[in-house]
Amino acid sequence: DIVLTQSPALAVSLGQRATISCRASQSVSISRYNLMHWYQQKPGQQPKLLIYRASNLASGIPARFSGSGSGTDFTLTINPVQADDIATYYCQQSRESPPTFGGGTKLELK
Amino acid sequence: EVQLQESGPGLVKPSQSLSLTCSVTGYSITSNYWGWIRKFPGNKMEWMGYISYSGSTSYNPSLKSRISITRDTSKNQFFLQLNSVTTEDTATYYCASLMDPLTIAADYWGQGVMVTVSS
Repeated sequence: DIVLTQSPALAVSLGQRATISCRASQSVSISRYNLMHWYQQKPGQQPKLLIYRASNLASGIPARFSGSGSGTDFTLTINPVQADDIATYYCQQSRESPPTFGGGTKLELK
Repeated sequence: EVQLQESGPGLVKPSQSLSLTCSVTGYSITSNYWGWIRKFPGNKMEWMGYISYSGSTSYNPSLKSRISITRDTSKNQFFLQLNSVTTEDTATYYCASLMDPLTIAADYWGQGVMVTVSS
């Protein structure tokens, strides 16, 4: 299985930029597709898709969220961070079966 | 808009089967792909499997001998059965719709149902 590695936590100030990284144990890109996706989960809620295929904003997601990367290294950026963004963020790959998730990065206020 | 709702028992005894239902509104399950994902205590998430618009299935190999995903198109529901459960199957179980067979990202999720395996 492809292993996705995320830092457990990131502290950020409101109004600043947050950069959350995800590194894959092997490439998750195929042809022009980067098969990495990002979710946000708040306590007591279901996950919400933020970004699909590395850089595509999901429906209804604010433009302060963006994604980038290819191959094995991917980044989710939140700029500027708002109070409502405090949550845990997961990456997920679909390059190989089974799809796998990273361990999550908890975004905290500095 | 697609809405999904899981239902099923919150407590299952070890060695028994876990059975959950996902009821879908706003979209036909004969279109698209539909999956089950679980989140363990401590935040680890696991992709369990999915069923396609045609009824074909794909399972996580780690569960392949224990898992079955089926559907009832007349009720617009799909189901998860996990056999021979242990305490390690204690988790919150989510059903979700999937974007497409290449992307396999979950764009709509149910609220989740917490299942505890305990005697």
